[in-house]
Amino acid sequence: NAGVTQTPKFQVLKTGQSMTLQCAQDMNHEYMSWYRQDPGMGLRLIHYSVGAGITDQGEVPNGYNVSRSTTEDFPLRLLSAAPSQTSVYFCATQVSGANVLTFGAGSRLTVL
Amino acid sequence: GENVEQHPSTLSVQEGDSAVIKCTYSDSASNYFPWYKQELGKRPQLIIDIRSNVGEKKDQRIAVTLNKTAKHFSLHITETQPEDSAVYFCAASKDNFNKFYFGSGTKLNVKP
Repeated sequence: NAGVTQTPKFQVLKTGQSMTLQCAQDMNHEYMSWYRQDPGMGLRLIHYSVGAGITDQGEVPNGYNVSRSTTEDFPLRLLSAAPSQTSVYFCATQVSGANVLTFGAGSRLTVL
Repeated sequence: GENVEQHPSTLSVQEGDSAVIKCTYSDSASNYFPWYKQELGKRPQLIIDIRSNVGEKKDQRIAVTLNKTAKHFSLHITETQPEDSAVYFCAASKDNFNKFYFGSGTKLNVKP
C-alpha cells in the first residue's frame, strides 16, 4: 500500500518547456487535488477532482491542465512553463465527503 | 472565495512553554477547520481539526478553539518540545470538502 505517489521529486525546466507531474494513489479515494506551496503563501489549490472524468478549477488554475481518466491517477500538466511556476507541488487525496487530506511527498519544480 | 489569514509567521518559544497560533477566515459558510504540521522537507500532516458546531477540541498537548462569531480559530500547544518545531498551517473548508483554503503558515521554533 504505497498511499499517494508523486513523480518526479525534482525537476528543472526551461521557460516554455512542457511537462507533467504524476500523482497516483492506491487507496481508492474519490477526491484528488493539486496544491502548490510557495514561501509565505501557504498551500493554494490549483485543480481538483471528485471522481473519474470530473475536474474543476481551484484558486490558481492558470497555466495548468488536469485530467482524471481513472480513480488512481491525476496528472498535472504545465503546457508552457514560466518562472512563476517555480514551486513545490503537492498532490492530495480524500475519501468522498471526508475531510482529511492525505498528501504525497511533493514535487519540487524549478523553471529557469 | 474564502480568505484565511494566519499569525504570526514565525514563533520562537522555550521548551516547556506554550505556543498559540491564530487564524481568521472570511466566509461564514466555512464549517471545518483543520491544522496541518509540516516538518522540514516533509509533507503536511493533519494534527487536529474542529467543526463549526464545536467550540474547543483537545488532543493531549494540542487544542484548537473556534469563535464562529468572530470568525477566528486558534491552535494551542502546551509543554512544547523540540520535536514540535515545524511549520503549522491552518485551513478552512465547507461541507463538500472539495476545496481547502490554507493560511500562510507559522514557523514554530522550540528552543531546548
